Amino acid sequence: LAKTTQPISMDSYEGQEVNITCSHNNIATNDYITWYQQFPSQGPRFIIQGYKTKVTNEVASLFIPADRKSSTLSLPRVSLSDTAVYYCLVGENTGGGNKLTFGTGTQLKVEL
Amino acid sequence: DSGVTQTPKHLITATGQRVTLRCSPRSGDLSVYWYQQSLDQGLQFLIHYYNGEERAKGNILERFSAQQFPDLHSELNLSSLELGDSALYFCASSVSNMGERTGELFFGEGSRLTVL
Repeated sequence: LAKTTQPISMDSYEGQEVNITCSHNNIATNDYITWYQQFPSQGPRFIIQGYKTKVTNEVASLFIPADRKSSTLSLPRVSLSDTAVYYCLVGENTGGGNKLTFGTGTQLKVEL
Repeated sequence: DSGVTQTPKHLITATGQRVTLRCSPRSGDLSVYWYQQSLDQGLQFLIHYYNGEERAKGNILERFSAQQFPDLHSELNLSSLELGDSALYFCASSVSNMGERTGELFFGEGSRLTVL
C-alpha cells in the first residue's frame, strides 16, 4: 500500500521559498507523484506531477531522488494566498483501477 | 472552474434518510473518483469508476454505493444516514486510466452533506 507521510504543518513568511517533503517508501514502479493544493471548502487543485528527477512549472518545482522514496514540493516566493493544505498523492494501481489515496496533508501558513 | 459539476452544493437531511449526489465529469474524461472529507480530516478515497465500470474501491461503507452511467455522469448514493456521514463529498475526473498514469485529477466544488 503506497502510503504517504508529510509534516502536519509549516509556517513561512511572504517572499520565502517553502519546501514540503513527502515520504512514500512503498511507491510502486508505475506510480507517479502528484501534489495538490486545497483551500477551505474547495476541491483540491493540481499543482505538479512527476516521476523522477526534477519537474518545474510556472508555480512550483518537484524534486524526486533516484530511489523515489520521497519527493519535495518547492514553492518559490510564497505569498499570503499560498496559505492552504498541500497534499502529496501517490497512485496505487489495483489492476485496472487507481486507488488514489491522499495523505493527511501539510497545512502551510504564510504570514507577512 | 475545473469543468466538473457536482449537485447539490448543499444538502441537509435527517438520520436514516437516503440521498443521491451527482457528478458530471469534464467533457471527455472517462474516470470518476469519489472522495469524502469530514471536518478536520483528509480526503478519504471512496471509489473509482472508469467508463461505466467500477475499477477501485477504498473504505466505502456498505451503506454507500455508486455508479457511472453511459453518459459518464456518476451518482453516489448514501443510505441509512448517520450523523458521522456529515461531510464534504468531492467528485474528481481524469482522462485515463486503465491502470496507467492517472494524470491530473480535476475536482468539483463538492457537495456538503449535513445529517441532523
